[in-house]
Amino acid sequence: DAGVIQSPRHEVTEMGQEVTLRCKPISGHNSLFWYRQTMMRGLELLIYFNNNVPIDDSGMPEDRFSAKMPNASFSTLKIQPSEPRDSAVYFCASRTGTSYNSPLHFGNGTRLTVT
Amino acid sequence: AQSVAQPEDQVNVAEGNPLTVKCTYSVSGNPYLFWYVQYPNRGLQFLLKYITGDNLVKGSYGFEAEFNKSQTSFHLKKPSALVSDSALYFCAVRDGSSNTGKLIFGQGTTLQVKP
Repeated sequence: DAGVIQSPRHEVTEMGQEVTLRCKPISGHNSLFWYRQTMMRGLELLIYFNNNVPIDDSGMPEDRFSAKMPNASFSTLKIQPSEPRDSAVYFCASRTGTSYNSPLHFGNGTRLTVT
Repeated sequence: AQSVAQPEDQVNVAEGNPLTVKCTYSVSGNPYLFWYVQYPNRGLQFLLKYITGDNLVKGSYGFEAEFNKSQTSFHLKKPSALVSDSALYFCAVRDGSSNTGKLIFGQGTTLQVKP
């Protein structure tokens, strides 16, 4: 079990550029979550998918953010255009679909810095 | 709406002493409660959960948590702290009245265990 894999680990970009974060969930997990962590706001749920379908995207901050899950083994979170206030650590997590109470498995995160 | 609060930003204890990290919650239905731990530059790791049954739940690394319905609390405890327990701890809740798997995290509490 390779765990949840996120790439890149670090991303530094200039304001206005497009940023794409990637996530590969654990094989067999059919729920996937994107969280953002900052000192000021803690850990915020951005969006989550069940069986590749977005279930709740109420946490997505604005239209600049979009997330897709084209298949069970891949998801992306895109920010276009990026702004300095988007600087944060972005986590992807997955969970087996057998129970809503199964633990989340987190990736090691992508640290995004927008200058 | 579901919410969870961790009233302490930081908890300091001496190695060998008992530790408590506090958590309170608010949900409409039955609460499903979780504790996660985060080490530097890593994703969150599952420690334990309360779904139903005994109010005292035992988890990984000697941690336990006590569910108290009347006080809407789920405090994390350990009888004897280790320096290696120093980390960031998150409480999380899922609202049982919701038919989604949405998991909301508290702001986190930094545990510092001194030798």
